[in-house]
Amino acid sequence: DTAVSQTPKYLVTQMGNDKSIKCEQNLGHDTMYWYKQDSKKFLKIMFSYNNKELIINETVPNRFSPKSPDKAHLNLHINSLELGDSAVYFCASSLLAGATNTGELFFGEGSRLTVL
Amino acid sequence: DAKTTQPPSMDCAEGRAANLPCNHSTISGNEYVYWYRQIHSQGPQYIIHGLKNNETNEMASLIITEDRKSSTLILPHATLRDTAVYYCISAVVNQGGKLIFGQGTELSVKP
Repeated sequence: DTAVSQTPKYLVTQMGNDKSIKCEQNLGHDTMYWYKQDSKKFLKIMFSYNNKELIINETVPNRFSPKSPDKAHLNLHINSLELGDSAVYFCASSLLAGATNTGELFFGEGSRLTVL
Repeated sequence: DAKTTQPPSMDCAEGRAANLPCNHSTISGNEYVYWYRQIHSQGPQYIIHGLKNNETNEMASLIITEDRKSSTLILPHATLRDTAVYYCISAVVNQGGKLIFGQGTELSVKP
């Protein structure tokens, strides 16, 4: 079983469109994240949710709207796509911060978004 | 910005130990040192982490200097499948997973 799964794996779309990427984790973790890896391979955190509540929002344009229907799912919706949104988006999860939290993040395989 | 510095690339012969250095001279007392790796076209994978003691698991060993300003990740018997970008990160455990990835070290294991 895949621990953190993302769909779709590849997404090619036109500028101006709206698209969503879905993420699900079956690890029983409380915290989920979206990271973006650009063409220069830098990985940057975008959002994190703890038990459906937004806890990190790294000054991402408001065209990006994460939604967490439950603690096992964190979806990313992007409005009015721009060329610069082309990147690989990684979902991740971890245990709730606390005494037993090792800080280890489990990443999905990534969703490669190409905006034409 | 990343608070760690690593060499951009390294080579290692298959079967030999790979020693990947990391400098974190501004690390705070409550920050751990984490190592992740990213194999081409895959998501990052956790390897190991430590605070001040040396650590070992089934994947690697982590050696942290006494002053905590640098560390070395050791892959004892590198295989071709260990070819990847290795990231050294300093972070507080309970800061909500805000890992700041730098450029990492691209390790090439050669036959």
